[in-house]
Amino acid sequence: DQQVKQNSPSLSVQEGRISILNCDYTNSMFDYFLWYKKYPAEGPTFLISISSIKDKNEDGRFTVFLNKSAKHLSLHIVPSQPGDSAVYFCAASERGYQKVTFGTGTKLQVIP
Amino acid sequence: EAQVTQNPRYLITVTGKKLTVTCSQNMNHEYMSWYRQDPGLGLRQIYYSMNVEVTDKGDVPEGYKVSRKEKRNFPLILESPSPNQTSLYFCASRQFNQPQHFGDGTRLSIL
Repeated sequence: DQQVKQNSPSLSVQEGRISILNCDYTNSMFDYFLWYKKYPAEGPTFLISISSIKDKNEDGRFTVFLNKSAKHLSLHIVPSQPGDSAVYFCAASERGYQKVTFGTGTKLQVIP
Repeated sequence: EAQVTQNPRYLITVTGKKLTVTCSQNMNHEYMSWYRQDPGLGLRQIYYSMNVEVTDKGDVPEGYKVSRKEKRNFPLILESPSPNQTSLYFCASRQFNQPQHFGDGTRLSIL
């Protein structure tokens, strides 16, 4: 049972445009959500997070939106840059990071 | 430099030959975890440890063992590897209520 789902395995976006990566979850007990970025031959690196008490968190070009009623979160990258090309994992946890469940990942390609 | 170090990075071995993947972190983190990444399945947790001598099963623990004798080290042991354990493995560490830091991964092929 996949509790965190990323339904788009891949996404291509032109440089300078907005990238929107989506994530759905089923466990209503999740109270913390994270996005990780992964380059080939490297481990995932933390990008941005959001608590369930918020609906938006912004860090530079990256913004995460949380819609609790729809059990949906999204990552917006504006403007997209070629260096953003990577696999992005959505993750969720309950009880403050005690256990983290990851999605299957979305491969983003930003075309120059 | 703060880091999580895994060894080896690549290993090809045969069914039934015991192997250990080492993981070491230099950030004095209490929490450490092992994950495996498989196509279409994302990252799945194998085992985790909340402190020295405290370990617990994750989502896919079958066929694996771990130990946490020291805070910095968290080795993953495959006593009798099988082909279905061919995968990309990641070790991670974190401090309480902080995001995880991941190692660069170990690609295991079991023939």
